Amino acid sequence: DTGVSQDPRHKITKRGQNVTFRCDPISEHNRLYWYRQTLGQGPEFLTYFQNEAQLEKSRLLSDRFSAERPKGSFSTLEIQRTEQGDSAMYLCASSLEVLGEQFFGPGTRLTVL
Amino acid sequence: AQSVTQLGSHVSVSEGALVLLRCNYSSSVPPYLFWYVQYPNQGLQLLLKYTTGATLVKGINGFEAEFKKSETSFHLTKPSAHMSDAAEYFCAVSPSGTASKLTFGTGTRLQVTL
Repeated sequence: DTGVSQDPRHKITKRGQNVTFRCDPISEHNRLYWYRQTLGQGPEFLTYFQNEAQLEKSRLLSDRFSAERPKGSFSTLEIQRTEQGDSAMYLCASSLEVLGEQFFGPGTRLTVL
Repeated sequence: AQSVTQLGSHVSVSEGALVLLRCNYSSSVPPYLFWYVQYPNQGLQLLLKYTTGATLVKGINGFEAEFKKSETSFHLTKPSAHMSDAAEYFCAVSPSGTASKLTFGTGTRLQVTL
């Protein structure tokens, strides 16, 4: 296992379309996080899971956003009815609960036209 | 609530010169503190972290940082800059005790010149 992977790396879509991103964490990590990063800013927390349970959601996560981690392994982040303001890098990270160190994937860059 | 302030969105140093990137935090509970580096079009890589114990923390690539509770600071330093250090650096904080969400600063872009 070489780290956190994300798919796709790039996504271009038209406004109003739905998109789904996938994150595969490091295999033994029970926590999985989603962040969003816009140009010139640091990553902003969106949500996180412990195993399959979604424990916290940011108010940044509007009703158009939904995240799942059905079997406590990979996770998906879906954005419905995309808007131009959704254009950003979506980062996934994973960690072991006791260590606190988060390992990040390469991100999915979303461009909404 | 926790927050991080990184002073200086851009820092330029000559190759071989000292690197100093500033980070101040605000936290109502004892924090965990982190420095991450991000190269263009890549994810974040952990440079170093402070959780408990020794306040001077050594990380990868010759970087180190010192936790100063009285100054609420966690500045990142490297004695001698290398061209390969050019990147975006982010300071982050999380509540201590368990893995939790990170709150990041806005980042500092380090430029290294010949």
